[in-house]
Order: sequence, then C-alpha cells, then structure tokens
Amino acid sequence: SQQGEEDPQALSIQEGENATMNCSYKTSINNLQWYRQNSGRGLVHLILIRSNEREKHSGRLRVTLDTSKKSSSLLITASRAADTASYFCATDAAAGNKLTFGGGTRVLVKP
Amino acid sequence: GAVVSQHPSRVICKSGTSVKIECRSLDFQATTMFWYRQFPKKSLMLMATSNEGSKATYEQGVEKDKFLINHASLTLSTLTVTSAHPEDSSFYICSASTGGYYGYTFGSGTRLTVV
Repeated sequence: SQQGEEDPQALSIQEGENATMNCSYKTSINNLQWYRQNSGRGLVHLILIRSNEREKHSGRLRVTLDTSKKSSSLLITASRAADTASYFCATDAAAGNKLTFGGGTRVLVKP
Repeated sequence: GAVVSQHPSRVICKSGTSVKIECRSLDFQATTMFWYRQFPKKSLMLMATSNEGSKATYEQGVEKDKFLINHASLTLSTLTVTSAHPEDSSFYICSASTGGYYGYTFGSGTRLTVV
C-alpha cells in the first residue's frame, strides 16, 4: 500500500520558474527520499533527508521535512525543460527495510 | 557507486506464456532486493521483498504463484510472471538494498506487454 499522497498530482510551469511539490506520509520514518522518473525509465535518486533533519539542499533542489506534520516538500528552483519528469517521495521506516512510495507529481516544464 | 542491472528492458509475450525478469547487483552484494510494479502514470507498488536464500515476502494482494521470485545468490534476483495475461502488462522495477547512505539502488525497469 502507498504511504501517502503527493500534491499536486500534476504541475505545469514555464522554464525558469520554481516548482514545489508536497508529500505526506502516515507512519514514523527513518528517512524520506525523493526520486525522479523520466517517462518509461527507472528511478533516479535525488536527495535523502533523515528524520532528524529539517532541510537539505542539493544544487537547485531544496527539501524540507516536518515530522510533526508528517510532510515533506521538494522545491526545484529555476526549472529547466530537462526537469520534466515525475517526482516521487518515498519513506523508509527503518533504514534498508523497504521504501514506500507516494503517488507522485508529474511536472511539465515548458520552454 | 552501486549499480543494479535489470534485464530485459522490454519484452512482449503471448498470453499464457511465462516471462522471467532478472535483477543483478553488479558491484555489491544485495542480500535484499525488492520488486515493484508500476501502472501508467501511477506510483510504484511494492510487490515483494526478496531475501537471498529464503522465500520472498509478498505484499498483500500479490499472487505468489503468479509472480515467482527467486533470490538464489547475493547478486541475482529473478521475477517470473507465470501464465501471463494482458492484465499483467505493466512496468516492473527492481531495487536492491545497498546498505550505503542512500540505502537503495534501482534497476532501469522492464516493460512487459502481454498480447
């Protein structure tokens, strides 16, 4: 079963704009991870944030985690057409146990 | 870094036949591998957890007799879709627990089409 929901389900923006997507989950976690998937392809790991962390940055990516609200957000700044993909959050209840994925957000960046 | 190779990337088979999908960890030993199924424009749904040398643990609602999982070595897990039907058509992705910082590495997926 899926851990939680992602919001929005789909997002269409212009190149250069920021894209923000949210993820909610239901149970306690060890860490939360964000992945990107291009159409028909495998998953690419983007960033991992541990339960004791509140914010992490990686290049144009910024992830926040609020364990009290059981939610996370992914911000992509200065989006590019190449950022067009589906983005999934995944929670790991106990490191290396198994990942449970959210519903995903389909992002379209228009040139 | 840890690499997982999944093969084949695409397969078309006739209804009633069986199809085997392989998932190999290339440069590390994976005691645990995971098999996911993904429908178009949907998320990944965990089908089963495969542990080397033991029986796979299937998620609720997954038919273990239809989706046979074998994890005979520390570098290879296989998923066999038996007596495939058109409704089994889907994208199947494996991942391996690496024990490293990220914890998991994913294969590139297999697109199965049953005709």
